[in-house]
Amino acid sequence: DAGVIQSPRHEVTEMGQEVTLRCKPISGHNSLFWYRQTMMRGLELLIYFNNNVPIDDSGMPEDRFSAKMPNASFSTLKIQPSEPRDSAVYFCASSLGGPRFEAFFGQGTRLTVV
Amino acid sequence: KQEVTQIPAALSVPEGENLVLNCSFTDSAIYNLQWFRQDPGKGLTSLLLIQSSQREQTSGRLNASLDKSSGRSTLYIAASQPGDSATYLCAVSPNTGTASKLTFGTGTRLQVTL
Repeated sequence: DAGVIQSPRHEVTEMGQEVTLRCKPISGHNSLFWYRQTMMRGLELLIYFNNNVPIDDSGMPEDRFSAKMPNASFSTLKIQPSEPRDSAVYFCASSLGGPRFEAFFGQGTRLTVV
Repeated sequence: KQEVTQIPAALSVPEGENLVLNCSFTDSAIYNLQWFRQDPGKGLTSLLLIQSSQREQTSGRLNASLDKSSGRSTLYIAASQPGDSATYLCAVSPNTGTASKLTFGTGTRLQVTL
Protein backbone atom coordinates (compact mmCIF):
# COMPACT_ATOMS: atom_id res chain seq x y z
CA ASP A 1 0.00 0.00 0.00
CA ALA A 2 1.24 3.52 -0.79
CA GLY A 3 0.16 4.82 2.59
CA VAL A 4 -1.99 7.87 3.19
CA ILE A 5 -1.79 10.16 0.17
CA GLN A 6 -2.36 13.88 0.42
CA SER A 7 -2.52 16.50 -2.30
CA PRO A 8 -1.29 19.02 -2.99
CA ARG A 9 1.99 18.89 -1.04
CA HIS A 10 2.30 22.65 -1.11
CA GLU A 11 -0.32 25.33 -1.66
CA VAL A 12 0.15 29.07 -1.81
CA THR A 13 -2.99 31.14 -2.13
CA GLU A 14 -4.19 34.67 -1.65
CA MET A 15 -6.33 35.69 1.27
CA GLY A 16 -9.99 35.25 0.51
CA GLN A 17 -9.55 32.39 -1.93
CA GLU A 18 -11.02 28.94 -1.45
CA VAL A 19 -8.59 26.14 -0.66
CA THR A 20 -9.31 22.42 -0.95
CA LEU A 21 -7.01 19.81 0.54
CA ARG A 22 -7.37 16.18 -0.43
CA CYS A 23 -6.68 12.88 1.25
CA LYS A 24 -6.77 9.23 0.24
CA PRO A 25 -6.61 6.96 3.29
CA ILE A 26 -5.02 3.53 3.41
CA SER A 27 -7.31 0.97 1.83
CA GLY A 28 -9.34 -0.88 4.46
CA HIS A 29 -8.96 1.79 7.12
CA ASN A 30 -12.29 3.01 8.38
CA SER A 31 -11.21 5.98 10.49
CA LEU A 32 -9.85 9.19 9.02
CA PHE A 33 -8.46 12.23 10.82
CA TRP A 34 -7.51 15.77 9.82
CA TYR A 35 -4.85 17.50 11.92
CA ARG A 36 -3.24 20.91 11.71
CA GLN A 37 0.32 21.67 12.80
CA THR A 38 1.60 25.14 13.64
CA MET A 39 4.62 26.35 15.55
CA MET A 40 2.44 28.01 18.16
CA ARG A 41 -0.07 25.25 18.84
CA GLY A 42 1.64 22.07 17.67
CA LEU A 43 -0.55 19.29 16.27
CA GLU A 44 -4.29 19.68 16.78
CA LEU A 45 -7.11 17.41 15.72
CA LEU A 46 -9.62 19.23 13.53
CA ILE A 47 -12.12 16.49 12.72
CA TYR A 48 -12.39 12.75 12.43
CA PHE A 49 -14.61 10.37 10.52
CA ASN A 50 -15.59 6.81 11.28
CA ASN A 51 -17.01 4.79 8.38
CA ASN A 52 -17.31 8.03 6.37
CA VAL A 53 -19.43 9.72 9.05
CA PRO A 54 -18.09 12.80 10.89
CA ILE A 55 -17.87 11.85 14.56
CA ASP A 56 -16.25 14.86 16.20
CA ASP A 57 -15.65 18.23 14.53
CA SER A 58 -15.10 20.17 17.74
CA GLY A 59 -11.57 21.01 16.64
CA MET A 60 -12.66 22.81 13.48
CA PRO A 61 -11.69 26.42 14.16
CA GLU A 62 -14.69 28.15 12.60
CA ASP A 63 -17.33 27.98 9.92
CA ARG A 64 -14.82 28.76 7.22
CA PHE A 65 -13.57 25.19 7.59
CA SER A 66 -15.51 22.21 6.31
CA ALA A 67 -14.64 18.56 5.71
CA LYS A 68 -16.31 15.81 3.76
CA MET A 69 -15.81 12.13 3.20
CA PRO A 70 -18.03 11.08 0.30
CA ASN A 71 -16.64 7.53 0.26
CA ALA A 72 -14.17 5.29 2.04
CA SER A 73 -11.27 6.27 -0.19
CA PHE A 74 -11.46 10.04 -0.30
CA SER A 75 -11.79 13.05 1.97
CA THR A 76 -11.51 16.80 1.53
CA LEU A 77 -10.84 19.70 3.86
CA LYS A 78 -12.01 23.02 2.52
CA ILE A 79 -11.27 26.52 3.75
CA GLN A 80 -13.45 29.31 2.38
CA PRO A 81 -12.46 32.11 2.56
CA SER A 82 -8.85 31.52 3.54
CA GLU A 83 -6.97 33.85 5.87
CA PRO A 84 -3.24 34.27 6.61
CA ARG A 85 -3.71 32.71 10.06
CA ASP A 86 -4.76 29.48 8.35
CA SER A 87 -1.17 29.02 7.18
CA ALA A 88 -0.01 25.67 8.61
CA VAL A 89 0.76 22.10 7.68
CA TYR A 90 -2.38 20.02 7.40
CA PHE A 91 -2.07 16.29 7.97
CA CYS A 92 -4.47 13.51 7.16
CA ALA A 93 -4.23 10.21 9.03
CA SER A 94 -6.10 6.94 8.90
CA SER A 95 -6.44 3.88 11.08
CA LEU A 96 -8.36 0.64 11.32
CA GLY A 97 -10.65 2.28 13.83
CA GLY A 98 -10.86 1.83 17.54
CA PRO A 99 -8.20 3.04 19.93
CA ARG A 100 -6.25 -0.23 19.70
CA PHE A 101 -4.91 0.62 16.28
CA GLU A 102 -2.14 3.01 15.42
CA ALA A 103 -2.71 5.99 13.18
CA PHE A 104 -0.78 6.35 9.92
CA PHE A 105 -0.08 9.86 8.68
CA GLY A 106 0.25 11.34 5.22
CA GLN A 107 3.10 13.63 4.21
CA GLY A 108 1.01 16.72 4.84
CA THR A 109 0.00 19.78 2.84
CA ARG A 110 1.90 22.96 3.60
CA LEU A 111 -0.57 25.82 3.16
CA THR A 112 0.56 29.41 2.89
CA VAL A 113 -2.07 32.14 2.69
CA VAL A 114 -0.65 35.51 1.68
CA LYS B 1 -8.87 18.57 29.01
CA GLN B 2 -5.92 16.29 28.33
CA GLU B 3 -2.55 18.02 28.18
CA VAL B 4 0.63 16.32 27.02
CA THR B 5 4.06 17.70 27.84
CA GLN B 6 7.44 16.61 26.54
CA ILE B 7 10.78 17.31 28.15
CA PRO B 8 13.30 18.34 27.04
CA ALA B 9 12.16 20.49 24.11
CA ALA B 10 15.52 19.96 22.41
CA LEU B 11 18.44 17.63 22.95
CA SER B 12 21.86 17.26 21.35
CA VAL B 13 23.98 14.18 22.01
CA PRO B 14 27.10 12.66 20.44
CA GLU B 15 26.74 9.53 18.38
CA GLY B 16 26.68 6.31 20.38
CA GLU B 17 25.06 7.70 23.50
CA ASN B 18 21.95 6.22 25.03
CA LEU B 19 19.21 8.75 25.68
CA VAL B 20 15.76 9.10 27.23
CA LEU B 21 12.90 11.28 26.07
CA ASN B 22 10.10 12.07 28.50
CA CYS B 23 6.37 12.47 28.02
CA SER B 24 3.77 13.30 30.67
CA PHE B 25 -0.01 13.57 30.44
CA THR B 26 -2.53 15.04 32.84
CA ASP B 27 -5.45 12.61 32.45
CA SER B 28 -4.53 9.00 33.14
CA ALA B 29 -7.72 7.71 31.51
CA ILE B 30 -5.99 6.84 28.27
CA TYR B 31 -6.47 3.88 25.97
CA ASN B 32 -3.03 3.94 24.41
CA LEU B 33 0.07 6.04 23.95
CA GLN B 34 1.93 6.35 20.69
CA TRP B 35 5.44 7.63 19.91
CA PHE B 36 6.05 9.22 16.51
CA ARG B 37 9.05 10.52 14.66
CA GLN B 38 8.85 13.57 12.38
CA ASP B 39 11.63 14.54 10.00
CA PRO B 40 11.80 18.17 8.79
CA GLY B 41 9.16 18.86 6.17
CA LYS B 42 7.82 15.33 6.42
CA GLY B 43 4.88 13.54 7.92
CA LEU B 44 4.78 11.50 11.10
CA THR B 45 6.08 7.96 11.32
CA SER B 46 4.67 5.75 14.03
CA LEU B 47 7.44 4.18 16.13
CA LEU B 48 5.72 2.39 18.98
CA LEU B 49 2.21 2.00 20.34
CA ILE B 50 1.65 1.00 23.96
CA GLN B 51 -1.77 -0.12 25.11
CA SER B 52 -2.83 1.13 28.53
CA SER B 53 -2.60 -2.41 29.89
CA GLN B 54 1.03 -2.72 28.82
CA ARG B 55 4.16 -1.49 30.57
CA GLU B 56 6.53 -1.29 27.63
CA GLN B 57 7.13 -1.95 23.97
CA THR B 58 10.37 -2.53 22.12
CA SER B 59 11.38 -2.13 18.51
CA GLY B 60 15.05 -2.49 17.64
CA ARG B 61 17.03 0.15 19.51
CA LEU B 62 13.85 1.79 20.80
CA ASN B 63 12.10 0.98 24.05
CA ALA B 64 9.03 2.82 25.28
CA SER B 65 7.64 2.47 28.78
CA LEU B 66 4.32 3.55 30.20
CA ASP B 67 3.32 4.32 33.79
CA LYS B 68 -0.32 5.12 33.33
CA SER B 69 -1.10 5.85 36.98
CA SER B 70 1.58 8.53 37.20
CA GLY B 71 0.87 9.87 33.70
CA ARG B 72 4.34 9.26 32.32
CA SER B 73 6.04 7.59 29.40
CA THR B 74 9.65 7.42 28.33
CA LEU B 75 11.27 6.62 25.01
CA TYR B 76 14.71 5.11 25.35
CA ILE B 77 17.02 5.16 22.35
CA ALA B 78 20.09 2.96 22.59
CA ALA B 79 23.36 3.63 20.80
CA SER B 80 22.11 6.77 19.05
CA GLN B 81 23.02 7.42 15.41
CA PRO B 82 22.98 10.60 13.28
CA GLY B 83 20.02 9.12 11.42
CA ASP B 84 18.01 9.30 14.64
CA SER B 85 18.03 13.10 14.38
CA ALA B 86 14.39 14.19 14.17
CA THR B 87 11.53 15.50 16.29
CA TYR B 88 9.92 12.89 18.51
CA LEU B 89 6.28 13.29 19.45
CA CYS B 90 4.18 11.38 21.92
CA ALA B 91 0.41 11.24 21.69
CA VAL B 92 -2.36 9.72 23.79
CA SER B 93 -5.83 8.53 22.89
CA PRO B 94 -8.72 8.78 25.34
CA ASN B 95 -10.37 5.85 27.06
CA THR B 96 -13.66 6.70 25.42
CA GLY B 97 -15.01 6.78 21.91
CA THR B 98 -14.45 4.53 18.98
CA ALA B 99 -11.46 6.05 17.25
CA SER B 100 -7.90 7.10 17.93
CA LYS B 101 -8.44 10.76 18.71
CA LEU B 102 -4.88 11.72 19.54
CA THR B 103 -3.68 14.53 21.77
CA PHE B 104 -0.08 15.36 20.94
CA GLY B 105 2.79 16.65 22.99
CA THR B 106 4.92 19.54 21.81
CA GLY B 107 7.78 17.28 20.78
CA THR B 108 11.47 16.86 21.53
CA ARG B 109 13.88 17.90 18.79
CA LEU B 110 16.82 15.49 18.84
CA GLN B 111 20.16 16.04 17.16
CA VAL B 112 22.77 13.30 17.17
CA THR B 113 26.20 14.61 16.25
CA LEU B 114 29.17 12.78 14.76
